Amino acid sequence: QKEVEQNSGPLSVPEGAIASLNCTYSDRGSQSFFWYRQYSGKSPELIMSIYSNGDKEDGRFTAQLNKASQYVSLLIRDSQPSDSATYLCAVKASYGKLTFGQGTILTVHP
Amino acid sequence: KAGVTQTPRYLIKTRGQQVTLSCSPISGHRSVSWYQQTPGQGLQFLFEYFSETQRNKGNFPGRFSGRQFSNSRSEMNVSTLELGDSALYLCASSTTSGSYNEQFFGPGTRLTVL
Repeated sequence: QKEVEQNSGPLSVPEGAIASLNCTYSDRGSQSFFWYRQYSGKSPELIMSIYSNGDKEDGRFTAQLNKASQYVSLLIRDSQPSDSATYLCAVKASYGKLTFGQGTILTVHP
Repeated sequence: KAGVTQTPRYLIKTRGQQVTLSCSPISGHRSVSWYQQTPGQGLQFLFEYFSETQRNKGNFPGRFSGRQFSNSRSEMNVSTLELGDSALYLCASSTTSGSYNEQFFGPGTRLTVL
């Protein structure tokens, strides 16, 4: 079992729709959770962090965390073509080390 | 505030050579983590430095090493390069080494080993 698994992609949604990205993790000791966006040829860009159970909203982005189910998700509302990228789920369980999922490629088509 | 900077941005080396990559963290950040990104393995953690001390290390051979200086700048070194070392090497900085700190990535160094 991989330490961090993301829903298989690619994911394609129409402009204006909600994109839902999911991630599960295996280490119950994980304490912090992050979503990064990576455009082709660029480095990962942090878009959300979440540390406690529940929802955290930032603009069009909502991160959801359920530690009992070892599940974290990212919702993107009113998706735009500029949201087309690879989304990486990252989990931190120990000093300085982020463990990443394999990424989900999101395409938002006009 | 300036972001994380990495030099050089691109490198081409041949098998058996060694390479040194440099990372300057965001001002005030004292923790630097290094990652390797390849199409096959994704993003994998190499090591993390905080206050000039290696705090954590990933599952990479001893050919991969690093250090951190008193100004928090960090370098990583790869000796005896292999073809499989071709990758994007990313460093990320955070304020401290704890669990609840966000990491911000630099642009990366693209290493090609021929």
